[in-house]
Amino acid sequence: EPEVTQTPSHQVTQMGQEVILRCVPISNHLYFYWYRQILGQKVEFLVSFYNNEISEKSEIFDDQFSVERPDGSNFTLKIRSTKLEDSAMYFCASSYMAGGTEAFFGQGTRLTVV
Amino acid sequence: DAKTTQPPSMDCAEGRAANLPCNHSTISGNEYVYWYRQIHSQGPQYIIHGLKNNETNEMASLIITEDRKSSTLILPHATLRDTAVYYCIALTSGNTPLVFGKGTRLSVIA
Repeated sequence: EPEVTQTPSHQVTQMGQEVILRCVPISNHLYFYWYRQILGQKVEFLVSFYNNEISEKSEIFDDQFSVERPDGSNFTLKIRSTKLEDSAMYFCASSYMAGGTEAFFGQGTRLTVV
Repeated sequence: DAKTTQPPSMDCAEGRAANLPCNHSTISGNEYVYWYRQIHSQGPQYIIHGLKNNETNEMASLIITEDRKSSTLILPHATLRDTAVYYCIALTSGNTPLVFGKGTRLSVIA
């Protein structure tokens, strides 16, 4: 079965450093998403991406965050200057159709900011 | 998108059917009901979705009331691996992303 792959599985970084989280969505999918989940809390939507541009973003997705699909296969989330409160599990997802229809999620990257 | 209400937790004996309710009394005519689950900090997993007809797939059945104000996800023979948080989400088709609530924590007990 096709799957969404995220790397790394764990990332520890110092406060103020830049991090890039990487995702390889399912190959024929057109819609891409990033979510995060702070330990013990809800899964929160960050951003959706379609046709090489952001289609929707949440209030969490401020100027510290950016997304890119650099080469037609990878989908990245960059956090420019990490803060302690950015520590969370970050999930990438992709879908062939828009909205909630059968979105496939990766296993996540656990980001720890120290 | 319509707000959904789910019980915070439920238990189910292994091998029995797990019936997870969801209220969505303000759902509009073009909003689908989606169910996802999250097994212990893994990525959420799509289960099933429907508009007004009942739906069944290899994982579960979805029963939507005639007035569409509530629905029930049925896992016909729950196993220990079905222990997870289950999310009911009302969403229009289109580019609106999934928004997860707190869901129902289902514990399947041996």
